[in-house]
Amino acid sequence: DIQMTQSPSSLSASVGDRVTLTCRASLSVSGYISWYHQKPGKAPYVLIASVSNLQSGVPLRFSGSGSVTDFTLTISSLQPEDFGTYFCQQSYSVPFTFGPGTTVDF
Amino acid sequence: QVQLQESGPGLVRPSQTLSLTCTVSGASVTSDDYYWSWIRQPAGKGLEWIGRLYSSGATFFNPSLRGRVAMWRDSSKNQLSLTLKSVTAADTAVYFCARTSHGSNFFAPWGQGTLVTVTS
Repeated sequence: DIQMTQSPSSLSASVGDRVTLTCRASLSVSGYISWYHQKPGKAPYVLIASVSNLQSGVPLRFSGSGSVTDFTLTISSLQPEDFGTYFCQQSYSVPFTFGPGTTVDF
Repeated sequence: QVQLQESGPGLVRPSQTLSLTCTVSGASVTSDDYYWSWIRQPAGKGLEWIGRLYSSGATFFNPSLRGRVAMWRDSSKNQLSLTLKSVTAADTAVYFCARTSHGSNFFAPWGQGTLVTVTS
């Protein structure tokens, strides 16, 4: 299985901050990385697919980059609704695996 | 708009079988355009992909659960089903169903999830 790690595990930030979250895969996953946001008690929803493709309805302050094994999710200007946990996920090979998440709070 | 809704018993006895249903609206569970997955999340923990159901009815499961898990669809009800045999406390989690569109590689949308607790 491809193991996914994320850093930091949690962070505290302020509204307006630029925030960068990191995801690392144990093997190359090519461009098959997605990012999800989850709020407590809710299902995750996809922000970015294929490393950098912003999904419909997702604010432009979110962006993704990276390649091979190292990927980042950047929030250019953190908003109050951005609190919660962010997961990366690889779909390069089965079993599909998720990172442990980065929790963002204020 | 596609919507997914999980349902099933909230409590299951150890060693018994967990059975869940995902009712889909706005899309057909037999469409060649989609794949359907089950994903679970223990309280306060990360996400674990359980398996995928293809339009052909073929399945692929996480090896960590292989031998205990089954997935199928009921086209007459437009539902997906999941069973997990011989459950233990480690199977206590929120269970989600989610769709993947053919040609894409992410899960969207997801159901709201249903909590299953394994307890005697």
